[in-house]
Amino acid sequence: EADIYQTPRYLVIGTGKKITLECSQTMGHDKMYWYQQDPGMELHLIHYSYGVNSTEKGDLSSESTVSRIRTEHFPLTLESARPSHTSQYLCASSDPSGGQNTGELFFGEGSRLTVL
Amino acid sequence: KNQVEQSPQSLIILEGKNCTLQCNYTVSPFSNLRWYKQDTGRGPVSLTIMTFSENTKSNGRYTATLDADTKQSSLHITASQLSDSASYICVVSDRGSTLGRLYFGRGTQLTVWP
Repeated sequence: EADIYQTPRYLVIGTGKKITLECSQTMGHDKMYWYQQDPGMELHLIHYSYGVNSTEKGDLSSESTVSRIRTEHFPLTLESARPSHTSQYLCASSDPSGGQNTGELFFGEGSRLTVL
Repeated sequence: KNQVEQSPQSLIILEGKNCTLQCNYTVSPFSNLRWYKQDTGRGPVSLTIMTFSENTKSNGRYTATLDADTKQSSLHITASQLSDSASYICVVSDRGSTLGRLYFGRGTQLTVWP
C-alpha cells in the first residue's frame, strides 16, 4: 500500500471560493505530480515537481497553482473556483530511479471537487 | 500524435470467467507499458510493467502481453472475482526526452457479476 495521502477526499464549494487540495507522501520521493481525471476520460497531467522549489506546468492548462516547499508536501491551490473546475484530482509520486518515463507512479486516493 | 486506445470501453462478465482487455498505442519511441487497476473512488495501482523485450508477464491471475511490432498489449484476467471490478488503465511511456512522457488510455471499466 502506497504512503501517499490526499485531503479532502470530497469537497463541495461555491463559485469564487479559494481551495487548497493537500497531498503528502512519506516515501521520500523527489518526484510528485497532480493529475485531473474526468469520468471516462484519460488522466491529464496538470502540474509536476522534481524536487523542493521545483514546479512545472503539465500538459493540460490549469488555473491552479502548486508549491513544493518540503519534499513530502505538494499542495494544489485554486484561487477562485468555478464550475469548470469540477473534477477528480489525483496526486502521485515516483521513486528516484523512475518517474514519468520509467518508474511506477504511486497515487493517492484522489480529491473529488464539485464547484456549484 | 501519440495515442493510447483501449477496448472495450466497458465489459461485464460473470464471476469465475476469463476476460481479455486490449490496448493499442502509437507512442514512439517506446519505453515501457504499464497496466494500472483503479477501484471506484481510489487512485490507480500498478499491476505490471512491460518493456520492449518482454512478451508476457504474469502477476497472479493477471497476465499481460506485449507485441512491440504491432504496438499492442493485452491484459488477461483468469477466473475473475468480484474484487476485479474496476477500471483498468493502460499507460505508455516514451523515451523521447530526458524527462519522458506518459500517455494514458481512457480505461476499460470491468464489472464482475456474481
